Amino acid sequence: AQTVTQSQPEMSVQEAETVTLSCTYDTSENNYYLFWYKQPPSRQMILVIRQEAYKQQNATENRFSVNFQKAAKSFSLKISDSQLGDTAMYFCAFMIFQGAQKLVFGQGTRLTINP
Amino acid sequence: ETGVTQSPTHLIKTRGQQVTLRCSSQSGHNTVSWYQQALGQGPQFIFQYYREEENGRGNFPPRFSGLQFPNYSSELNVNALELDDSALYLCASSLGRGAYGYTFGSGTRLTVV
Repeated sequence: AQTVTQSQPEMSVQEAETVTLSCTYDTSENNYYLFWYKQPPSRQMILVIRQEAYKQQNATENRFSVNFQKAAKSFSLKISDSQLGDTAMYFCAFMIFQGAQKLVFGQGTRLTINP
Repeated sequence: ETGVTQSPTHLIKTRGQQVTLRCSSQSGHNTVSWYQQALGQGPQFIFQYYREEENGRGNFPPRFSGLQFPNYSSELNVNALELDDSALYLCASSLGRGAYGYTFGSGTRLTVV
């Protein structure tokens, strides 16, 4: 089975705080990539960060970083110094290569940053 | 560079009708994928086109079909609409294998009544 589980349907933090979104996944593939996307009310999926599964070093993009635990199939997202503009749905996903390059998404976490 | 544009933004159709959704890929991108996002859910893969050929399909019935044109724009066609087809349809483009992630459009909200 190819699945992604995001165990936190909703989260809410104060501006400037740090927040961590959880994600676990299941795949039998050895070659895959992991992603976090955000979806604001505009509906467009925006890439936040990506991680190659064959790299042990955790990816970082400015205030966003991941904790990738390959053996545990865990891929959490940490947002530091959260901002009001971070308010959105966040989706964890992995990409596998079975003919097509297919993204498998979780059900999302609704993150609200309060002023 | 332009992003991915989708049309229309909203659409209401009656059960049993047919619908065509359109997508213009980001400039230079030769791969386009379509996803269905039901309310409160994550997107689900419908199919992918690379250089005008379908190269992969998700668990969707044949009444979901598509095309990719020489300029890499794409269409999603759905025949015999059902109420459960009501969803946000997202188009995403990439250059080649998409390992650096896709660029998504803002989607078409389809409501079937």
